[in-house]
Amino acid sequence: GESVGLHLPTLSVQEGDNSIINCAYSNSASDYFIWYKQESGKGPQFIIDIRSNMDKRQGQRVTVLLNKTVKHLSLQIAATQPGDSAVYFCAERDQNSGGSNYKLTFGKGTLLTVNP
Amino acid sequence: NAGVTQTPKFQVLKTGQSMTLQCAQDMNHEYMSWYRQDPGMGLRLIHYSVGAGITDQGEVPNGYNVSRSTTEDFPLRLLSAAPSQTSVYFCASSYGTAGANVLTFGAGSRLTVL
Repeated sequence: GESVGLHLPTLSVQEGDNSIINCAYSNSASDYFIWYKQESGKGPQFIIDIRSNMDKRQGQRVTVLLNKTVKHLSLQIAATQPGDSAVYFCAERDQNSGGSNYKLTFGKGTLLTVNP
Repeated sequence: NAGVTQTPKFQVLKTGQSMTLQCAQDMNHEYMSWYRQDPGMGLRLIHYSVGAGITDQGEVPNGYNVSRSTTEDFPLRLLSAAPSQTSVYFCASSYGTAGANVLTFGAGSRLTVL
Protein backbone atom coordinates (compact mmCIF):
# COMPACT_ATOMS: atom_id res chain seq x y z
CA GLY A 1 0.00 0.00 0.00
CA GLU A 2 0.93 3.66 -0.01
CA SER A 3 3.56 4.77 2.44
CA VAL A 4 1.12 7.50 3.43
CA GLY A 5 -0.45 4.86 5.69
CA LEU A 6 2.54 5.02 8.04
CA HIS A 7 2.48 7.37 11.03
CA LEU A 8 -1.28 7.81 10.78
CA PRO A 9 -3.92 7.42 13.47
CA THR A 10 -5.60 4.07 12.95
CA LEU A 11 -9.03 2.68 13.61
CA SER A 12 -9.76 -1.02 13.46
CA VAL A 13 -13.37 -2.26 13.43
CA GLN A 14 -15.25 -5.46 12.80
CA GLU A 15 -17.34 -5.85 9.67
CA GLY A 16 -20.88 -4.71 10.34
CA ASP A 17 -19.94 -2.32 13.15
CA ASN A 18 -20.34 1.43 12.86
CA SER A 19 -17.17 3.50 12.44
CA ILE A 20 -16.52 7.03 13.63
CA ILE A 21 -13.55 8.94 12.26
CA ASN A 22 -12.71 12.26 13.86
CA CYS A 23 -11.07 15.41 12.59
CA ALA A 24 -10.14 18.51 14.53
CA TYR A 25 -9.59 21.81 12.78
CA SER A 26 -8.16 25.06 14.07
CA ASN A 27 -9.29 27.72 11.61
CA SER A 28 -12.46 29.39 12.87
CA ALA A 29 -12.81 31.01 9.43
CA SER A 30 -13.35 27.65 7.71
CA ASP A 31 -16.78 27.54 6.08
CA TYR A 32 -16.79 24.34 4.10
CA PHE A 33 -15.59 20.84 4.91
CA ILE A 34 -15.08 17.71 2.83
CA TRP A 35 -14.30 14.08 3.59
CA TYR A 36 -12.21 12.07 1.15
CA LYS A 37 -11.47 8.35 1.04
CA GLN A 38 -8.16 7.07 -0.30
CA GLU A 39 -7.73 3.39 -1.04
CA SER A 40 -4.27 1.91 -1.35
CA GLY A 41 -2.62 2.90 -4.61
CA LYS A 42 -5.40 5.28 -5.63
CA GLY A 43 -6.16 8.97 -5.49
CA PRO A 44 -8.52 10.50 -2.93
CA GLN A 45 -12.21 10.09 -3.69
CA PHE A 46 -14.96 12.45 -2.53
CA ILE A 47 -17.33 11.02 0.08
CA ILE A 48 -19.42 13.85 1.51
CA ASP A 49 -19.26 17.56 2.25
CA ILE A 50 -20.89 19.99 4.65
CA ARG A 51 -21.15 23.75 4.90
CA SER A 52 -20.59 25.59 8.15
CA ASN A 53 -24.27 26.59 8.39
CA MET A 54 -25.16 22.93 8.92
CA ASP A 55 -24.55 20.57 11.85
CA LYS A 56 -25.24 17.30 10.10
CA ARG A 57 -25.46 15.87 6.65
CA GLN A 58 -26.30 12.35 5.59
CA GLY A 59 -25.36 10.33 2.57
CA GLN A 60 -25.55 6.68 1.71
CA ARG A 61 -24.26 4.87 4.84
CA VAL A 62 -22.26 7.96 5.82
CA THR A 63 -23.04 10.90 8.06
CA VAL A 64 -20.91 13.95 8.70
CA LEU A 65 -21.30 15.90 11.93
CA LEU A 66 -19.90 19.37 12.44
CA ASN A 67 -19.40 20.98 15.84
CA LYS A 68 -18.19 24.51 15.26
CA THR A 69 -18.00 25.29 18.96
CA VAL A 70 -15.14 22.87 19.49
CA LYS A 71 -13.97 22.86 15.86
CA HIS A 72 -14.60 19.18 15.38
CA LEU A 73 -15.74 17.18 12.39
CA SER A 74 -16.65 13.51 12.34
CA LEU A 75 -17.48 10.94 9.70
CA GLN A 76 -19.76 8.10 10.68
CA ILE A 77 -19.90 5.00 8.51
CA ALA A 78 -22.79 2.64 9.18
CA ALA A 79 -22.45 -1.13 8.85
CA THR A 80 -18.77 -0.90 7.90
CA GLN A 81 -17.69 -3.24 5.12
CA PRO A 82 -14.24 -4.55 4.12
CA GLY A 83 -14.42 -2.24 1.08
CA ASP A 84 -14.45 0.71 3.45
CA SER A 85 -10.84 -0.02 4.46
CA ALA A 86 -8.89 3.06 3.41
CA VAL A 87 -7.33 6.28 4.62
CA TYR A 88 -9.91 8.98 5.31
CA PHE A 89 -9.03 12.68 5.04
CA CYS A 90 -10.93 15.73 6.11
CA ALA A 91 -10.36 19.00 4.28
CA GLU A 92 -11.44 22.51 5.19
CA ARG A 93 -11.78 25.72 3.22
CA ASP A 94 -11.09 29.17 4.60
CA GLN A 95 -14.06 31.46 3.93
CA ASN A 96 -11.60 34.28 3.33
CA SER A 97 -10.34 32.47 0.23
CA GLY A 98 -13.30 33.82 -1.71
CA GLY A 99 -14.78 30.38 -2.08
CA SER A 100 -11.87 29.08 -4.08
CA ASN A 101 -11.11 25.41 -3.83
CA TYR A 102 -7.38 25.98 -3.99
CA LYS A 103 -7.48 27.15 -0.40
CA LEU A 104 -8.40 23.70 0.88
CA THR A 105 -6.31 22.47 3.81
CA PHE A 106 -6.13 18.70 4.17
CA GLY A 107 -5.76 16.78 7.39
CA LYS A 108 -3.19 14.03 7.76
CA GLY A 109 -5.75 11.24 7.56
CA THR A 110 -6.93 8.22 9.55
CA LEU A 111 -6.36 4.64 8.46
CA LEU A 112 -9.52 2.55 8.79
CA THR A 113 -9.12 -1.22 8.80
CA VAL A 114 -12.21 -3.40 8.63
CA ASN A 115 -11.79 -6.95 9.88
CA PRO A 116 -14.04 -9.59 8.29
CA ASN B 1 -14.90 9.58 -19.81
CA ALA B 2 -11.51 8.81 -18.27
CA GLY B 3 -11.57 11.54 -15.57
CA VAL B 4 -8.10 12.69 -14.48
CA THR B 5 -5.23 10.73 -16.02
CA GLN B 6 -1.68 10.94 -14.67
CA THR B 7 1.48 9.54 -16.23
CA PRO B 8 3.82 7.99 -15.34
CA LYS B 9 2.60 6.00 -12.32
CA PHE B 10 6.16 5.38 -11.13
CA GLN B 11 9.44 7.15 -11.83
CA VAL B 12 12.94 6.96 -10.42
CA LEU B 13 15.29 9.87 -10.99
CA LYS B 14 18.82 10.75 -10.04
CA THR B 15 19.53 14.02 -8.28
CA GLY B 16 19.75 16.83 -10.82
CA GLN B 17 17.69 15.14 -13.52
CA SER B 18 14.62 16.80 -14.94
CA MET B 19 11.26 15.33 -15.83
CA THR B 20 7.63 16.16 -16.43
CA LEU B 21 4.63 14.59 -14.76
CA GLN B 22 1.68 14.65 -17.12
CA CYS B 23 -1.92 15.34 -16.14
CA ALA B 24 -4.93 15.36 -18.45
CA GLN B 25 -8.65 15.64 -17.76
CA ASP B 26 -11.54 15.15 -20.17
CA MET B 27 -14.29 16.72 -18.08
CA ASN B 28 -13.86 20.30 -19.34
CA HIS B 29 -12.86 21.39 -15.85
CA GLU B 30 -11.61 24.95 -15.43
CA TYR B 31 -9.60 24.36 -12.32
CA MET B 32 -6.58 22.04 -12.11
CA SER B 33 -4.01 21.58 -9.40
CA TRP B 34 -1.03 19.55 -8.26
CA TYR B 35 -0.56 18.19 -4.75
CA ARG B 36 2.20 16.18 -3.13
CA GLN B 37 1.54 13.63 -0.43
CA ASP B 38 4.17 12.73 2.12
CA PRO B 39 3.89 10.49 5.20
CA GLY B 40 2.36 12.35 8.12
CA MET B 41 1.99 15.58 6.11
CA GLY B 42 -1.36 15.32 4.35
CA LEU B 43 -1.84 16.74 0.87
CA ARG B 44 0.01 19.96 0.12
CA LEU B 45 -0.78 22.23 -2.82
CA ILE B 46 2.13 22.85 -5.23
CA HIS B 47 0.63 24.84 -8.10
CA TYR B 48 -2.83 25.44 -9.47
CA SER B 49 -4.58 26.89 -12.51
CA VAL B 50 -8.02 28.49 -12.76
CA GLY B 51 -8.08 28.29 -16.55
CA ALA B 52 -5.99 28.01 -19.70
CA GLY B 53 -3.09 30.43 -19.66
CA ILE B 54 -3.38 31.11 -15.91
CA THR B 55 -1.24 29.50 -13.22
CA ASP B 56 -0.34 30.38 -9.65
CA GLN B 57 1.70 29.06 -6.75
CA GLY B 58 0.36 27.00 -3.91
CA GLU B 59 1.84 26.17 -0.53
CA VAL B 60 5.05 24.38 -1.70
CA PRO B 61 5.94 25.62 -5.22
CA ASN B 62 9.75 25.69 -5.01
CA GLY B 63 11.47 23.35 -7.45
CA TYR B 64 8.40 22.93 -9.65
CA ASN B 65 7.08 24.66 -12.77
CA VAL B 66 3.70 24.37 -14.44
CA SER B 67 1.98 25.61 -17.57
CA ARG B 68 -1.61 25.48 -18.81
CA SER B 69 -1.69 25.85 -22.57
CA THR B 70 -4.97 23.96 -22.94
CA THR B 71 -7.98 23.33 -20.72
CA GLU B 72 -7.25 19.60 -20.71
CA ASP B 73 -3.55 19.44 -19.76
CA PHE B 74 -1.58 20.63 -16.75
CA PRO B 75 1.98 19.22 -16.70
CA LEU B 76 4.24 19.54 -13.66
CA ARG B 77 7.95 19.99 -14.36
CA LEU B 78 10.84 19.25 -12.08
CA LEU B 79 13.83 21.14 -13.48
CA SER B 80 16.53 19.67 -11.22
CA ALA B 81 15.23 16.86 -9.03
CA ALA B 82 16.25 16.66 -5.37
CA PRO B 83 15.78 13.83 -2.85
CA SER B 84 13.34 16.10 -0.96
CA GLN B 85 11.02 15.81 -3.96
CA THR B 86 10.55 12.09 -3.39
CA SER B 87 6.82 11.88 -2.90
CA VAL B 88 3.51 10.81 -4.37
CA TYR B 89 2.06 13.47 -6.65
CA PHE B 90 -1.63 13.93 -7.33
CA CYS B 91 -3.29 16.01 -9.98
CA ALA B 92 -6.84 17.20 -9.28
CA SER B 93 -9.47 19.15 -11.17
CA SER B 94 -12.89 20.67 -10.62
CA TYR B 95 -15.51 22.35 -12.76
CA GLY B 96 -15.18 25.72 -11.09
CA THR B 97 -13.23 27.41 -8.38
CA ALA B 98 -16.03 28.54 -6.11
CA GLY B 99 -18.77 26.97 -4.11
CA ALA B 100 -18.98 23.28 -3.47
CA ASN B 101 -17.10 22.15 -6.53
CA VAL B 102 -15.51 18.90 -5.52
CA LEU B 103 -12.00 18.00 -6.59
CA THR B 104 -11.55 14.90 -8.74
CA PHE B 105 -8.14 13.34 -8.23
CA GLY B 106 -5.97 11.27 -10.50
CA ALA B 107 -4.48 7.94 -9.38
CA GLY B 108 -1.13 9.48 -8.47
CA SER B 109 2.49 9.38 -9.62
CA ARG B 110 5.10 7.98 -7.25
CA LEU B 111 8.45 9.70 -7.71
CA THR B 112 11.71 8.58 -6.12
CA VAL B 113 14.79 10.79 -6.36
CA LEU B 114 18.07 9.08 -5.53
